[in-house]
Amino acid sequence: DAKTTQPTSMDCAEGRAANLPCNHSTISGNEYVYWYRQIHSQGPQYIIHGLKNNETNEMASLIITEDRKSSTLILPHATLRDTAVYYCIGSTGNQFYFGTGTSLTVIP
Amino acid sequence: DTGVSQDPRHKITKRGQNVTFRCDPISEHNRLYWYRQTLGQGPEFLTYFQNEAQLEKSRLLSDRFSAERPKGSFSTLEIQRTEQGDSAMYLCASSLLMLRNYGYTFGSGTRLTVV
Repeated sequence: DAKTTQPTSMDCAEGRAANLPCNHSTISGNEYVYWYRQIHSQGPQYIIHGLKNNETNEMASLIITEDRKSSTLILPHATLRDTAVYYCIGSTGNQFYFGTGTSLTVIP
Repeated sequence: DTGVSQDPRHKITKRGQNVTFRCDPISEHNRLYWYRQTLGQGPEFLTYFQNEAQLEKSRLLSDRFSAERPKGSFSTLEIQRTEQGDSAMYLCASSLLMLRNYGYTFGSGTRLTVV
């Protein structure tokens, strides 16, 4: 599975867009980019995934660069409940190797 | 079906004792995964099953650890002769094998404390 690099922590003002970057320069052609988040004391929660094209669902948008070496998760209107650790993972979908993720704090 | 269920939520045990955790996946999911998470770290893969077959085991899964999924439904993870280093959150997840995998659904985990 691809090694990913994420900032350790980020802050975002409530109501603003949160843009979480991820570098995955070693991702292979058959690996998707997955995003999960983990709120304190809960199991990780699936957010979104994509291969080449940008993706959007009810939770977030995923922007993947054309060379697939990096991506950005966008939470369009961050709320206090979005405070969590966000994990970016490159995987074929068989198993996931989580790093330490980005700790996002949404500030009132 | 409300999701992946894990039991117990918390377990405190003395060093050297055996412990067993249970995971009930979402009923139609044929894949089941076990992860371990220590404080400040992301979850670490331990093993996974497709139906009742255990397809992969991490090197983290020492011979004191054993996992089963006897009828392809619920799964158990047993740790024998527990050590203080086994203290962690043990997470179970399930998914439906399909051409485009939509990711796992995780349970809330079992927090193990070895004293």
